[in-house]
Order: sequence, then C-alpha cells, then structure tokens
Amino acid sequence: QVQLQESGPGLVKPSETLSLTCTVSGGSVNSDDYYWSWIRQPPGKGLEWIGYISYSGNTKYSPSLQNRVTISIDTSRKQFSLSLTSVTAADTAVYYCARDVEYYESGIYSDYFDPWGQGTLVTVPS
Amino acid sequence: SSELTQDPAVSVALGQTVRITCLGDSLRSYYVSWYQQKPGQAPILVIYGKSNRPSGIPDRFSGSTSGNTASLTITGAQAEDEADYYCNSRDSTGDHLIFGGGTKLTVL
Repeated sequence: QVQLQESGPGLVKPSETLSLTCTVSGGSVNSDDYYWSWIRQPPGKGLEWIGYISYSGNTKYSPSLQNRVTISIDTSRKQFSLSLTSVTAADTAVYYCARDVEYYESGIYSDYFDPWGQGTLVTVPS
Repeated sequence: SSELTQDPAVSVALGQTVRITCLGDSLRSYYVSWYQQKPGQAPILVIYGKSNRPSGIPDRFSGSTSGNTASLTITGAQAEDEADYYCNSRDSTGDHLIFGGGTKLTVL
C-alpha cells in the first residue's frame, strides 16, 4: 500500500525559507487521478490546505499562501517538495503530505485525501 | 463562498447516534470527505462521496448531503470514536481545497 513520509528541518528562522520533502513508497506517483498535496495544522488549530501538484507538474495553491509557496515534484525519485518563503511564527505547524485522489461519482468530480504522512512539526521562533 | 462551517464541539452518549454537520455553498457542487483525527496522530479518511467508507472503517460511520449541508453520522458511537472530525471539499471556484474548522466529538 502507498505510504508517504515527510522529511526536513524542524526549526526554521524567521524570514528564511521552509523546505520539506515527501517521499512516496509502495506505489506510483504517475497517475492523472492523483494530486500530491501539502496540508498544515498549527498547534491546537484546524487543518489548512497549502496546495498540490500533479505528476506532470501542474500546481494549485491556497490563495492565502500563493505568494510564498512553491510545490515541485521529482517523479524519478517519487518525491514532491514544499518551499515556503519568508516564514514567521504564524507558519509554525505540523506539516502533512497527502495524496489527493480525484474521483467521479454521480456526475460530479470530487476529491479525498488518502493516505497521509505522519506529519512533521516545523517551528519558527518568534 | 470559500468556507466550510462546522460546530466546534458535539457530545454523544455511548452507544447513541450522533450527527456532525458541515455547511458550505460549494457542497451544492462537490462532494465532501470526512477525516477523523485523534491527539498526536495524522487524520484518517472515514467517509467520501455520497457515503463511501474506505476499507477498515466501521459501518457505523455514514455520510449524507442535502443542499449545502453534509453530515457525518455515527450510529452507536463507541469510546474510540472520540476525536476531532474535519470536513473537506473544493471551494466554489473548484480550483482550491478547503477544510471545515473541525468538530471535537466527546463520547460520554
């Protein structure tokens, strides 16, 4: 079964760039039905979608983060990466990678996230 | 609208039925997915689409949608169902994914 694993620094200084990588194992990243996503969760708060990338490199980002976010993919290594620039303490969160599965049901295209990585805490000190 | 609204907290007596709701204009156009998150763990998918359960999810979990409201129903809630539950869908533009604020379920 497909598994995802995040990796990267747990501490990033203010104004610097947060960089994380997600490694996919047990399956292929090359499918038109999948988008490879990043989601974050500040301590004690809810989930926030950051953005996704397709295997062909098409991206979509959250409007609130799009000026600072870049998601890239390396299909040969089965990895996709997140870059978030000019971080502040507000970017402190657990960062998850997840597979976004697009499906078609009763005339509607919709999505779900499955599986998720275990998450990695990134702290930006104030 | 680019928002999904959930009640912050809901409680249910052990063995009883509870419904967790998610409101949003985009739910008239897209199906919702539901996630269960226990403390210190990553979310897991429990329901997607009309009422599809991934393998391993108990059949006491079901979903439904009416108009702009989606519901997650737990029939015969168990102690292990105590968790935070999040809904997720696309926004009204269809270009972005959004989450509800989450509902903390307490099983009494």
